[in-house]
Amino acid sequence: GAGVSQSPRYKVAKRGQDVALRCDPISGHVSLFWYQQALGQGPEFLTYFQNEAQLDKSGLPSDRFFAERPEGSVSTLKIQRTQQEDSAVYLCASSLSPPSYEQYFGPGTRLTVT
Amino acid sequence: KQEVTQIPAALSVPEGENLVLNCSFTDSAIYNLQWFRQDPGKGLTSLLLIQSSQREQTSGRLNASLDKSSGRSTLYIAASQPGDSATYLCAVLQAAGNKLTFGGGTRVLVKP
Repeated sequence: GAGVSQSPRYKVAKRGQDVALRCDPISGHVSLFWYQQALGQGPEFLTYFQNEAQLDKSGLPSDRFFAERPEGSVSTLKIQRTQQEDSAVYLCASSLSPPSYEQYFGPGTRLTVT
Repeated sequence: KQEVTQIPAALSVPEGENLVLNCSFTDSAIYNLQWFRQDPGKGLTSLLLIQSSQREQTSGRLNASLDKSSGRSTLYIAASQPGDSATYLCAVLQAAGNKLTFGGGTRVLVKP
């Protein structure tokens, strides 16, 4: 069965470039989450959607980070004017509603900003 | 603010030994706790989920306990195998929120 998929798997960006990371959740999963994982650390929450509504964006580190899920399925995380500190693995997860259900994670996108 | 700590940060054992991984959290008002496995360069695989009302969950060689009042969970892996080598992460879901708060992980190496 299809799990959570993310693309691209790897992205190298020059400092100052904009990037867009895509997440395809498990079909039928209402809740979608983005996390950021720095090297050697646990993931940290970025933002949460229930269907197309962004209910929590408290973890987005700056206004350069923007996430959307316009039709309640696929989500895109956009980072504008990338900086070196943005280098990390970006993980997407989905779960059935309510969010107390188990979260299923994608393979992540490794972003390297040079 | 919830903080999750995993000790030890790294663990190396010979094949066949039992593994004991510890997770502690500062705010006991959690909804559930999940244990994950992460292989190098891969995403997270959910191993066990314990609801706040439960004391433990078991799946094969894995057993996780939860003591919510003391803010602790322990993951036991019986009769370890080299294929168990990975990073193990615990994460808690707050009753009042939707996000998972993760520990820093325990990196496990099982030597043949």
